[in-house]
Amino acid sequence: NAGVTQTPKFQVLKTGQSMTLQCAQDMNHNSMYWYRQDPGMGLRLIYYSASEGTTDKGEVPNGYNVSRLNKREFSLRLESAAPSQTSVYFCASGETVGYTFGSGTRLTVV
Amino acid sequence: GQQLNQSPQSMFIQEGEDVSMNCTSSSIFNTWLWYKQDPGEGPVLLIALYKAGELTSNGRLTAQFGITRKDSFLNISASIPSDVGIYFCAGRNYGGSQGNLIFGKGTKLSVKP
Repeated sequence: NAGVTQTPKFQVLKTGQSMTLQCAQDMNHNSMYWYRQDPGMGLRLIYYSASEGTTDKGEVPNGYNVSRLNKREFSLRLESAAPSQTSVYFCASGETVGYTFGSGTRLTVV
Repeated sequence: GQQLNQSPQSMFIQEGEDVSMNCTSSSIFNTWLWYKQDPGEGPVLLIALYKAGELTSNGRLTAQFGITRKDSFLNISASIPSDVGIYFCAGRNYGGSQGNLIFGKGTKLSVKP
């Protein structure tokens, strides 16, 4: 089925550990996005990529890095996880109209 | 930066009741979108609005793009248990950068059978 695929679905990290969240889309979209969702805060943009080879900071980029590996894949890396990064992370892709979202990665940092 | 005020924050209603929620902004948007998020899933686009004053329906859902371009409304008629979830409004201003789809904080809807 066409869409956005995120892995893993769940992850528990210890403070200071690193990890990479993976995202792939098969809709041939140029633009891809990473959001975090926290209770009562809605969806906040971390980073986005308007096209292959470009990335830009969103509203809350601190503590994260991204890589647009190719047109399909956009990964999010936490170099040194902190408890404040406990959240649900969503990848999305899309252009003119709305975005298509993945089903999310629930990350807990202890 | 731009912010959207979405209200109410949560709603508890009886099955069969109608639901209304809205979003307001201090800035003008060229597009308004409404998403629904089921528990444990990502948001899914319900309705997109492109023109001030536009009224668009999708089944029991009706959304409107406010005349001032600073607000939007979503109505759900005759609610059913599967309407449970979080509803997000989102606005886009094409004058800005690519990453300028701004989301409201969501309205959490609970429906009692």
